Amino acid sequence: NAGVTQTPKFQVLKTGQSMTLQCAQDMNHNSMYWYRQDPGMGLRLIYYSASEGTTDKGEVPNGYNVSRLNKREFSLRLESAAPSQTSVYFCASSLDSNYGYTFGSGTRLTVV
Amino acid sequence: QKEVEQNSGPLSVPEGAIASLNCTYSDRGSQSFFWYRQYSGKSPELIMSIYSNGDKEDGRFTAQLNKASQYVSLLIRDSQPSDSATYLCAPWGSTNAGKSTFGDGTTLTVKP
Repeated sequence: NAGVTQTPKFQVLKTGQSMTLQCAQDMNHNSMYWYRQDPGMGLRLIYYSASEGTTDKGEVPNGYNVSRLNKREFSLRLESAAPSQTSVYFCASSLDSNYGYTFGSGTRLTVV
Repeated sequence: QKEVEQNSGPLSVPEGAIASLNCTYSDRGSQSFFWYRQYSGKSPELIMSIYSNGDKEDGRFTAQLNKASQYVSLLIRDSQPSDSATYLCAPWGSTNAGKSTFGDGTTLTVKP
């Protein structure tokens, strides 16, 4: 009964480095999401995938790319990390509009 | 104007009191409405959903929806210190929107 699993939980990057945040869900949900949360800014949508094979930009997509690898997995890639990308990143999934989101435990990323 | 507005916090209530959290939204096509609770340093957790005008009760929590006024609220009766958290309002967008939009949240503190 894992739900939504995110890895890693913590990461420190140097400016310019790249990394991929992994997310997997075992609930057979159709939609998956990546959010970032900064102090005082609430949750901001980076990218989402309404169904397997589709991805769409959210509110703050610049500097990020995503891959919906299959129905279970949705990864977020930072190609060249910047200090402005220091944040807590949450992955979420949803069956459909009647069920809301299930969130992963988050990744705390620091870019120095 | 933000798509989802929540009453500015922080909100402080004594133990045993009723806490009232309010939310207005701009998308008239929204049909599903969700409340999430987020403890400090943790990920958001879905606590209530409501789809029809009126009230929906679940234990000490009551969600209220008025689509004509584009207003949704969450009442917490007999507030407990364990209710101290940030509460996020998240209407699901119009049909085929594929996602929720989150308010910035209201931080509730319940004082013993």
